[in-house]
Amino acid sequence: GQNIDQPTEMTATEGAIVQINCTYQTSGFNGLFWYQQHAGEAPTFLSYNVLDGLEEKGRFSSFLSRSKGYSYLLLKELQMKDSASYLCAVTDSNYQLIWGAGTKLIIKP
Amino acid sequence: IAGITQAPTSQILAAGRRMTLRCTQDMRHNAMYWYRQDLGLGLRLIHYSNTAGTTGKGEVPDGYSVSRANTDDFPLTLASAVPSQTSVYFCASSEPGTSGREQYFGPGTRLTVL
Repeated sequence: GQNIDQPTEMTATEGAIVQINCTYQTSGFNGLFWYQQHAGEAPTFLSYNVLDGLEEKGRFSSFLSRSKGYSYLLLKELQMKDSASYLCAVTDSNYQLIWGAGTKLIIKP
Repeated sequence: IAGITQAPTSQILAAGRRMTLRCTQDMRHNAMYWYRQDLGLGLRLIHYSNTAGTTGKGEVPDGYSVSRANTDDFPLTLASAVPSQTSVYFCASSEPGTSGREQYFGPGTRLTVL
């Protein structure tokens, strides 16, 4: 079967750095997405990785290791507005997105 | 219209009733999707359409049907609602086919079936 694992919840302090991990087992791999979802709102796109390595975009970075079936999302200089759920999703061999359950990130002052 | 709109925003429905959730996009995307999101389970694909006139089944299609008469609209119908269909429903769109095509989501419809 296809499976994506993320921690259910994480807590971090404003101004700090947090790393949210995602491991996956899917039938084929055609890229990995990270989305942000604030409570009661729709998911919005954060990043996309298809090759191994680190992609940096402002305060957010995403890393991929295809051989390990592993990705992480790194958030720097945390702000209160970063409190949200972070969804990891993998595009499988049929180009369908398989979604993880999401990680709820709580930022404390 | 900017992006994707969904209607209604929320709905309480008696079991056994028929309900259509509406979705319209103005980005001229060929691919559209319907997901349901339940606590602890993440987004699950119900049905999708890669282009107008075609539809396909996702992970959890039972009890739902869709149609794609044109590029912009992708309604989702519950023929006879059951309490297990209580969920938040998201419509999304993207360009189909190759990887790297991010999906854009509507604001969601919160449906409660009693």
